[in-house]
Amino acid sequence: AQSVTQLDSQVPVFEEAPVELRCNYSSSVSVYLFWYVQYPNQGLQLLLKYLSGSTLVKGINGFEAEFNKSQTSFHLRKPSVHISDTAEYFCAVSVSGGYNKLIFGAGTRLAVHP
Amino acid sequence: EAGVTQSPTHLIKTRGQQVTLRCSPISGHTSVYWYQQALGLGLQFLLWYDEGEERNRGNFPPRFSGRQFPNYSSELNVNALELEDSALYLCASSFARLANYGYTFGSGTRLTVV
Repeated sequence: AQSVTQLDSQVPVFEEAPVELRCNYSSSVSVYLFWYVQYPNQGLQLLLKYLSGSTLVKGINGFEAEFNKSQTSFHLRKPSVHISDTAEYFCAVSVSGGYNKLIFGAGTRLAVHP
Repeated sequence: EAGVTQSPTHLIKTRGQQVTLRCSPISGHTSVYWYQQALGLGLQFLLWYDEGEERNRGNFPPRFSGRQFPNYSSELNVNALELEDSALYLCASSFARLANYGYTFGSGTRLTVV
């Protein structure tokens, strides 16, 4: 079975600093990977996804993530964060092909301070 | 194109009462997913409907139930409400065979049980 581990429950960072939110997955088969963002009292919004091809995926709001198959990781990065990036970030995995649902990690709360 | 819509946005119920939450998927999406997001507990998978059938169910008691209508909209019913049912209930939709390409989420229904 697939699972997702988000290694940090909270990440505090100062405005304009770089940030990395870590995500590791476990699966014995090929996977698709996702990052979602949730702003306070809202639903989840897709930031980016990896389906195939280039391992470096660029998403909205200046975020990017790199798929590393050997390390089973899909870490999310942004070179310079803004106050408005303060939110909860969820990593998710699904098995490629077939009829499968997404499995979500527990989430990482990013707090950007001035 | 309208997104995933959920109603109501907020509601307050008394312990022991019953509640019905509603979700309209994106036009053309046949799968609907329900998640519970209680404070500090991340996203807990509740139910997955596709083409009117329940396809998968999370680890929740039978008092959590639902259905999907011919127009693919869905209802989530919770009977005998308990205080710990207080949470944000999120609905998501996708094309069934492309579920592993990611979901589109609604903004959620905030349920408070007093």
